[in-house]
Amino acid sequence: AQSVTQLGSHVSVSEGALVLLRCNYSSSVPPYLFWYVQYPNQGLQLLLKYTSAATLVKGINGFEAEFKKSETSFHLTKPSAHMSDAAEYFCAVSVMDSNYQLIWGAGTKLIIKP
Amino acid sequence: GAVVSQHPSRVICKSGTSVKIECRSLDFQATTMFWYRQFPKQSLMLMATSNEGSKATYEQGVEKDKFLINHASLTLSTLTVTSAHPEDSSFYICSAISSAGGPYSYEQYFGPGTRLTVT
Repeated sequence: AQSVTQLGSHVSVSEGALVLLRCNYSSSVPPYLFWYVQYPNQGLQLLLKYTSAATLVKGINGFEAEFKKSETSFHLTKPSAHMSDAAEYFCAVSVMDSNYQLIWGAGTKLIIKP
Repeated sequence: GAVVSQHPSRVICKSGTSVKIECRSLDFQATTMFWYRQFPKQSLMLMATSNEGSKATYEQGVEKDKFLINHASLTLSTLTVTSAHPEDSSFYICSAISSAGGPYSYEQYFGPGTRLTVT
């Protein structure tokens, strides 16, 4: 069975500082991995995805994530936080043999301090 | 491309009434659509998976008679909350997978969500 663990329900960083949001997954088959962002009272926006190609994935808004099979991790990073990055971030895993259902992490709220 | 809409974006209804939420894929055909529910400050909870022309598959604990899902065409799925109660108040989100196949046949495209408030 697949599962996703996001470490830290809240992460607070100063504007301009490095953003690191952690995601670890468990999957018995090669996974597809996703990071989504959700602003208050809005739907989800895809930030980036890993689909077994390059292990370092670049996404929108300056975010990137690195797939590390040995660590079963897919951490999300951004070199310099902006106030507009304040939002909820969700990591998810999808597998082909389950109709591509997404298994979701609990989410991490990113707080940006001025 | 790959836009999913939901209607309405917000709805307030009285306890005991039914509410229908529409999910449409605007520029692609969707063989599979998913319905999620999200409580405040929580992650998404998958309610059901619907495939065009067949009955929806509900997740454990989701009442199929209360949350009626119809995927009548390749571009439209509806969720009807029957005899709504205040505890049904939530944010409902749909997503769709393109039936076109190819390298992105796994990717879910999300609607903007519907805020349901039952008074």
